Amino acid sequence: QKEVEQNSGPLSVPEGAIASLNCTYSDRGSQSFFWYRQYSGKSPELIMSIYSNGDKEDGRFTAQLNKASQYVSLLIRDSQPSDSATYLCAVNIRNYGQNFVFGPGTRLSVLP
Amino acid sequence: EAQVTQNPRYLITVTGKKLTVTCSQNMNHEYMSWYRQDPGLGLRQIYYSMNVEVTDKGDVPEGYKVSRKEKRNFPLILESPSPNQTSLYFCASSPRPGGEQFFGPGTRLTVL
Repeated sequence: QKEVEQNSGPLSVPEGAIASLNCTYSDRGSQSFFWYRQYSGKSPELIMSIYSNGDKEDGRFTAQLNKASQYVSLLIRDSQPSDSATYLCAVNIRNYGQNFVFGPGTRLSVLP
Repeated sequence: EAQVTQNPRYLITVTGKKLTVTCSQNMNHEYMSWYRQDPGLGLRQIYYSMNVEVTDKGDVPEGYKVSRKEKRNFPLILESPSPNQTSLYFCASSPRPGGEQFFGPGTRLTVL
């Protein structure tokens, strides 16, 4: 059973703070990892993708991957109320095939 | 505008009445997937397609069929819907294997 786990929410942070979202996965052969944001009633939209160990930064977002620990995280700096959403971690569980497993999501609330 | 479209957006039907949910993308993507999203269970992959006439099962394929006769279209077929297939369904397409996915707006299906 291929599993992706995320830290249980909801997570509440004040505006301007750093939000830290975590994800662990069970399939050691996984090679590509994604963070999606989903607003209530909407479809998921891509925030970040990461393929190699280390950090990847895009604006206020930083994804961190540690394959040895089977851990991927998303940091959101200077959190804004518009960041309030559910964040989904997705893992491609067969090397560059099209089989994906999503985590259950972490709901983030950024308080003004 | 680059997009994934799904129809219908909302559907209420009765047990056993065959239905098809259409999905179309205008981005010339080879890779497409269907997901269902249920509270507490997250997004689960039903089927995916790597190319025309190439499809494979995801994690929850029971009760569903797909076909991929054209690159742009990937319909989801429920031959005999049951109440446990009541869910929110998303179609997604991807430009590369194991890569980022672009999601359609979703289809909310209720089976009575």
